[in-house]
Amino acid sequence: AQTVTQSQPEMSVQEAETVTLSCTYDTSENNYYLFWYKQPPSRQMILVIRQEAYKQQNATENRFSVNFQKAAKSFSLKISDSQLGDTAMYFCAFAAPEETSGSRLTFGEGTQLTVNP
Amino acid sequence: NAGVTQTPKFQVLKTGQSMTLQCAQDMNHEYMSWYRQDPGMGLRLIHYSVGAGITDQGEVPNGYNVSRSTTEDFPLRLLSAAPSQTSVYFCASTRNSNYGYTFGSGTRLTVV
Repeated sequence: AQTVTQSQPEMSVQEAETVTLSCTYDTSENNYYLFWYKQPPSRQMILVIRQEAYKQQNATENRFSVNFQKAAKSFSLKISDSQLGDTAMYFCAFAAPEETSGSRLTFGEGTQLTVNP
Repeated sequence: NAGVTQTPKFQVLKTGQSMTLQCAQDMNHEYMSWYRQDPGMGLRLIHYSVGAGITDQGEVPNGYNVSRSTTEDFPLRLLSAAPSQTSVYFCASTRNSNYGYTFGSGTRLTVV
């Protein structure tokens, strides 16, 4: 079974600065997918960024980028130029290929990020 | 294109009552799941489905039933509500693992 751990329950950052959220996971799979989801106070789950394990290049989406270290089973999220709208709970999630897992997602406990003006 | 639609958004039940949380998606996704979200525990999988007619248990299935008679619909039934089932429930769907899931807006359920 897969496990996902987010060791930072809460973080804060000043507007316009950079912040990194940590995530580690444990799996025996060689091929898998990793995700960061954002949950603002509206409760909606929003996909921020995704990474395929067999791709060595780190994924980027505008101000969001990841540092994927497959050997260390680490998947951190970097938010550059933080904005007030980035204030949210962030979840790291893992999925094995659908043929072995039915596309089930395993989530970490979440990190509450607050961006201060 | 509505995505994933969950109803109701809020519900209060008395202990022992039963109810069904509705979930529908219009993206022709094969894979659908139900999660519950509790403070400090992230989202935990209740039941999931890999296609019409096929369902399986997740991490926390006790007290819940599901069925998948069509590709579009995946209702979650609470058989006899208990206070421990007070939570926020999310339905989600995906084409396959590579794309991650699209989530509904959630149902906040309180059992008193």
